[in-house]
This record gives sequence, structure tokens and C-alpha cells, in this order.
Amino acid sequence: QKEVEQNSGPLSVPEGAIASLNCTYSDRGSQSFFWYRQYSGKSPELIMSIYSNGDKEDGRFTAQLNKASQYVSLLIRDSQPSDSATYLCAVNKGGSEKLVFGKGTKLTVNP
Amino acid sequence: NAGVMQNPRHLVRRRGQEARLRCSPVKGHSHVYWYRQLPEEGLKFMVYLQKENIIDESGMPKERFSAEFPKEGPSILRIQQVVRGDSAAYFCASSPGTGYNGELFFGEGSRLTVL
Repeated sequence: QKEVEQNSGPLSVPEGAIASLNCTYSDRGSQSFFWYRQYSGKSPELIMSIYSNGDKEDGRFTAQLNKASQYVSLLIRDSQPSDSATYLCAVNKGGSEKLVFGKGTKLTVNP
Repeated sequence: NAGVMQNPRHLVRRRGQEARLRCSPVKGHSHVYWYRQLPEEGLKFMVYLQKENIIDESGMPKERFSAEFPKEGPSILRIQQVVRGDSAAYFCASSPGTGYNGELFFGEGSRLTVL
């Protein structure tokens, strides 16, 4: 089982719709969870962090964490064409300083 | 994050040459992380360093790759005798260490092409 798994997509949604991105992780000791956005040819940009079970909202973005299910998700409301990018899920393993990344889900928002 | 500076942004090497990638962390940060991203892949952890110490190099290939973070100056990722499979984007991130909550902010990356 891979440490961090994401649906590779691509995921395509119409403008104004909700985009739902999912991620599962294998290490139950994981403590911190992050979503990065990466535009083609650019560096990853941190958009959300979540540390406890439940939802965390920031503007159009909502991160959801369920440690019992080892599941993290990112919802993007009112999707815009500018949201088209690859979204990377990252997990900080307990007792470790490093982040483990999934392969990413490519999102396309169609005007 | 504009605070982490990497250079060169693009580097072309022929097989067998050496590649040196540099990373200057955010001012005041004492921890540096190197990640590699192959085309259409996620980021793979390579090495984590503090000033003058390698803390975790579990992701570094055993041969040809080395990293350092001297007391003065940038962190250096060195790849000797490059092969085509080394072609990738290499990203650096930094953290303050104390009070670190896991968030990493990356530099713009160095894109290595091996001919």
C-alpha cells in the first residue's frame, strides 16, 4: 500500500461546480495534513493545512480530515478556471520532519 | 514561497557531468529539505538537513547524490556523473525548526535536463 494515495484523475468539472479531491494515507501515526496546488511548470503552493478531525474552511476551500478512516479531502466551491491545476496531498508522518506526497490529482475547470 | 531561493532555475548537463543545485532558505530558517519531482509524478523526499548536519537522507540515492548545508552559504545538492534518469525538477523548502508545524514552503525549483 502506498503511503499517500490520490485519484490521479484527471478530474473535470464545469465552472461554478464543486470539485472534490480525495486522499488516503497508510500511517496511523500521521499528525499533519496538507493540500498543495501546483500549476504546470511551477512550484507547489500550500493552500490548506489541517491537524484535527473535522472540517476546516478557508474561502472557497474546505479541508476535511477523518483520522479513523485515514482520509483527507479537499472541496473547492464555485470552481473557477484558475483553479485548474494539480492538487497534491501531503502528510507529515508522526515523529518525522518530512512530508510524504501523493502523486496528485489533475483538476480541470471548464468555462 | 519567494523566500526560498533556488538556482539555477534551469540546468542542462550531458551524461557524466556534475550538477550542483543551490538553495538559500528563508532568512532565519535553519532547516532545509530537498524533494525531487519526476515528470507527471508527485514530490519525493530526498534529504533533510540542518546547518552542518544531515538529519534524514533516507530518500537519497546511495550513489552519486550528496547534499550539504554549511554554516555559511546555501544548501547544495550535488549530483555526480548525471544520467538521463536524473532529469527532473528539484525543489527545496525550509523551516524554522523550532515550533515547526509541518508546513513547508517551496522555492521555484531547479529543472535539470540531462542530454
